[in-house]
Amino acid sequence: AQKVTQAQTEISVVEKEDVTLDCVYETRDTTYYLFWYKQPPSGELVFLIRRNSFDEQNEISGRYSWNFQKSTSSFNFTITASQVVDSAVYFCALSEAKAAGNKLTFGGGTRVLVKP
Amino acid sequence: ETGVTQSPTHLIKTRGQQVTLRCSSQSGHNTVSWYQQALGQGPQFIFQYYREEENGRGNFPPRFSGLQFPNYSSELNVNALELDDSALYLCASSPAGFLNYGYTFGSGTRLTVV
Repeated sequence: AQKVTQAQTEISVVEKEDVTLDCVYETRDTTYYLFWYKQPPSGELVFLIRRNSFDEQNEISGRYSWNFQKSTSSFNFTITASQVVDSAVYFCALSEAKAAGNKLTFGGGTRVLVKP
Repeated sequence: ETGVTQSPTHLIKTRGQQVTLRCSSQSGHNTVSWYQQALGQGPQFIFQYYREEENGRGNFPPRFSGLQFPNYSSELNVNALELDDSALYLCASSPAGFLNYGYTFGSGTRLTVV
């Protein structure tokens, strides 16, 4: 069975501080996909990034960066120079790589509060 | 292009009643999945529909059922509502070739069972 753990339930920072969100996953699959989603107060889940299990190259996109380490089953996410608009709940998710019937297994989420 | 739209946005039902939630998938997306998100928790997979047939199901009882229509829109039906069914219900669509895209989620329907 797949499992995603986000140990941090809430993080509070002051604007312009960096924020790193931890994600640890469990799966028996050799091929899988990892995601980060952002959920603002409005409720919709906003897709941020997808990584497949063979792509351990870390990436920076604007103020966002990701650190995927297969050896430790971790997929951490960092917001650099946080802004008030970054306040939201962030979810890490894991998916099988089947041809059909894929489902996302989500972690419990980390609430990020950025104070001005 | 329009995104995923869900209706209604909020709903209050009485225990034992039945409810139908609706979802219009994003243009070009033929796969729809439904998730239940209890307050303070991550979303839980209910089921997925592809070409009008159920194509994967999570650990939910049979009183949770669904439909997908030829235009790829979908309905989630819940019978014999229980208090624990109170949650945000999220619909997500994706195009054929899931492996290249992430799902697009709607804003959800907030269901309260009293």
